[in-house]
Amino acid sequence: LAKTTQPISMDSYEGQEVNITCSHNNIATNDYITWYQQFPSQGPRFIIQGYKTKVTNEVASLFIPADRKSSTLSLPRVSLSDTAVYYCLVGVFSGSARQLTFGSGTQLTVLP
Amino acid sequence: IAGITQAPTSQILAAGRRMTLRCTQDMRHNAMYWYRQDLGLGLRLIHYSNTAGTTGKGEVPDGYSVSRANTDDFPLTLASAVPSQTSVYFCASSVGTGELFFGEGSRLTVL
Repeated sequence: LAKTTQPISMDSYEGQEVNITCSHNNIATNDYITWYQQFPSQGPRFIIQGYKTKVTNEVASLFIPADRKSSTLSLPRVSLSDTAVYYCLVGVFSGSARQLTFGSGTQLTVLP
Repeated sequence: IAGITQAPTSQILAAGRRMTLRCTQDMRHNAMYWYRQDLGLGLRLIHYSNTAGTTGKGEVPDGYSVSRANTDDFPLTLASAVPSQTSVYFCASSVGTGELFFGEGSRLTVL
């Protein structure tokens, strides 16, 4: 199983760009990298997914270096409502059975 | 609204009692998962099922069992609850693209 390591917490101010890095040194060839956001008392919510290089959607960008041993979630111009726990998840999402294991998550606190 | 429904939302249970947490999805996703989340901690995978009729063990399967008789339902059973099983339980499903859809959680307290 690919184990992930993230910073426990990060603070930022409104309007700043936030980058959260996840380490996954033993990522397998077929593994994808997915990031989730979780607010208190709610289930996690999908943010973005990638396999290599860079992926961008309407809420975030995901940067994955060539060796794929880490990934960085980039949130542009954060607001107070982006205060949440962010998880990276590494795993295979198609084909044969495979576990999907979350890391410990990063608590992002956005300050006014 | 399509999604995942979990029941009950909250339950207090005496130790030693049997409890089944229900999870139903109407998205026709093949894969379903049960996670537990303890206060201030991340999610830990209990059991998963990649298709109806198959199940697998996650990180913390002891004390829990699951079944997957059909695509829509994935109940989680605690045969004899213990206080260490006090947690919030999340059910999730996936069509296989990597996007997990989570339910709102079931908060279980075992006394």
